[in-house]
Amino acid sequence: RKEVEQDPGPFNVPEGATVAFNCTYSNSASQSFFWYRQDCRKEPKLLMSVYSSGNEDGRFTAQLNRASQYISLLIRDSKLSDSATYLCVVNKRGSQGNLIFGKGTKLSVKP
Amino acid sequence: EPEVTQTPSHQVTQMGQEVILRCVPISNHLYFYWYRQILGQKVEFLVSFYNNEISEKSEIFDDQFSVERPDGSNFTLKIRSTKLEDSAMYFCASRMIDNNQPQHFGDGTRLSIL
Repeated sequence: RKEVEQDPGPFNVPEGATVAFNCTYSNSASQSFFWYRQDCRKEPKLLMSVYSSGNEDGRFTAQLNRASQYISLLIRDSKLSDSATYLCVVNKRGSQGNLIFGKGTKLSVKP
Repeated sequence: EPEVTQTPSHQVTQMGQEVILRCVPISNHLYFYWYRQILGQKVEFLVSFYNNEISEKSEIFDDQFSVERPDGSNFTLKIRSTKLEDSAMYFCASRMIDNNQPQHFGDGTRLSIL
């Protein structure tokens, strides 16, 4: 089983749509969770950390279910500028914080 | 907002040559990392560095690779005797001391081995 698995995508949605991404991780010792976004051939940029109680940042909502080892990201009212690849990222308890990345889910928002 | 900077943005090198990729982490960060991303694949951890020594490395990070913090600001990745399969984007990242803090990435060096 892959350490971090994501929806294969791509997701093609119209502007204004709500879209949800899912992610599962295999290591129950995982300690910290993040969503990064990556534009084509650019560096990963932090979108948000994911907390056990769930958290929201504007149009973005992240949820964590430790029992199911499942992370989600919800984007409401999609904008053209949301088009990117969304990376689910975890780090392991006891590591020096090195991050384990999913392969990413590509989102394309159309006018 | 402070950022991680990397140079060069693109490096083209003949197979078998040595390359040095440079990074300037965010000034108050204490943990430094190198990752690589082969075209079309996921981002992969190479090495972490703390307190002037390697704290963890992946199986990718073999004897061909080394890291150094030669002064108070730069953090370098050296790849000796480069191979075609070393062609990738190399990202430097840094973070503060709290393990739960996110890492901030530089904009990467595209390494092309001919």
